[in-house]
Amino acid sequence: GENVEQHPSTLSVQEGDSAVIKCTYSDSASNYFPWYKQELGKRPQLIIDIRSNVGEKKDQRIAVTLNKTAKHFSLHITETQPEDSAVYFCAASRWGDMRFGAGTRLTVKP
Amino acid sequence: NAGVTQTPKFRVLKTGQSMTLLCAQDMNHEYMYWYRQDPGMGLRLIHYSVGEGTTAKGEVPDGYNVSRLKKQNFLLGLESAAPSQTSVYFCASSPYGRGRTDTQYFGPGTRLTVL
Repeated sequence: GENVEQHPSTLSVQEGDSAVIKCTYSDSASNYFPWYKQELGKRPQLIIDIRSNVGEKKDQRIAVTLNKTAKHFSLHITETQPEDSAVYFCAASRWGDMRFGAGTRLTVKP
Repeated sequence: NAGVTQTPKFRVLKTGQSMTLLCAQDMNHEYMYWYRQDPGMGLRLIHYSVGEGTTAKGEVPDGYNVSRLKKQNFLLGLESAAPSQTSVYFCASSPYGRGRTDTQYFGPGTRLTVL
């Protein structure tokens, strides 16, 4: 089955700096790659997603890139703010079977 | 429009007891999912359903059963609870069927403790 690895497990940045989280996947048939943000005690919330026929997608301060050949995708957050502090999960999906990475705890220091 | 709801929010069971978690969605979504989340391990897919009357195994299906008798409901059953099933359980749904997956919308979660 699909295996998703996510790095780093923790990330600390200064407010205003950029943050990058990377994920790799194993199943070349995976075709949907979402990123979720989860605050303590709350449900995961989708922040951005990308499909296998697209290489890059941007939404304001957040961007995701996908390299299908290398089977890796990355989340980029620019101009980080304290409210960006949370756990971020990547995932890879193939026809409903979605596998998540272990998560990255992002801390943005004021 | 309540989105995805889960019942109950919290539950404590003794080893060997059984229970059913209910997930309901009012968005007419085709796909529904059950995940468990343990500290440091992210979310792991237990079972999912691509439509009414169909279910499929995910990454960690052992010890759980599911049913999707109605399109809007997805039930997760524990026949004989074990301490290893202590976790937070999330249900999710997504709108598209026919082989196409899309955004998953999560419920608020159920915190289950098995003593």
